[in-house]
Amino acid sequence: EAGVAQSPRYKIIEKRQSVAFWCNPISGHATLYWYQQILGQGPKLLIQFQNNGVVDDSQLPKDRFSAERLKGVDSTLKIQPAKLEDSAVYLCASSLEGASPGQFFGPGTRLTVL
Amino acid sequence: KNEVEQSPQNLTAQEGEFITINCSYSVGISALHWLQQHPGGGIVSLFMLSSGKKKHGRLIATINIQEKHSSLHITASHPRDSAVYICAVLSGTASKLTFGTGTRLQVTL
Repeated sequence: EAGVAQSPRYKIIEKRQSVAFWCNPISGHATLYWYQQILGQGPKLLIQFQNNGVVDDSQLPKDRFSAERLKGVDSTLKIQPAKLEDSAVYLCASSLEGASPGQFFGPGTRLTVL
Repeated sequence: KNEVEQSPQNLTAQEGEFITINCSYSVGISALHWLQQHPGGGIVSLFMLSSGKKKHGRLIATINIQEKHSSLHITASHPRDSAVYICAVLSGTASKLTFGTGTRLQVTL
């Protein structure tokens, strides 16, 4: 069974530039999560989708971050414009249903903002 | 105070040693995860527990719901066990995972 796919794996940009990350969850998984993990900290949930609807985006900085899952399958997370403090690993995860048990994580995208 | 606390933050061990990583939490939970994160960011789920004890190979995870405490043990540690081990709890009706800050383990020859 293929796992959660993410791209790119690494991205270096300058502050005020824009960047987009892509995630393809495990086939059949209705729930998709985007996490931000700053160095030395545990992952922080940015947004949770159930199919193509948003369940929780309370910790998403909506002035600069946006995410979509238009067809209820793959998802993109965008940062526009990026700030230095956005440097982190962005993890995508998916699960069969709304509850987190059985959550499968992708390899992550390491973003460096200079 | 974080809802999920792990100790130690950093751990260095020699190959073959028995290792214990601890996790304490302050909220009511329905399940607890132990996760392994290698350099580069990818996370692998090791265990999901709601009671008692689970074993997989050289890894053992235990949980005490009354004491709000879980431990991850690694027997006969090996350099390939070097990674960050993260405890995460699933709590409440929100079904959110709350993560600890992780324990960085380095196993040397």
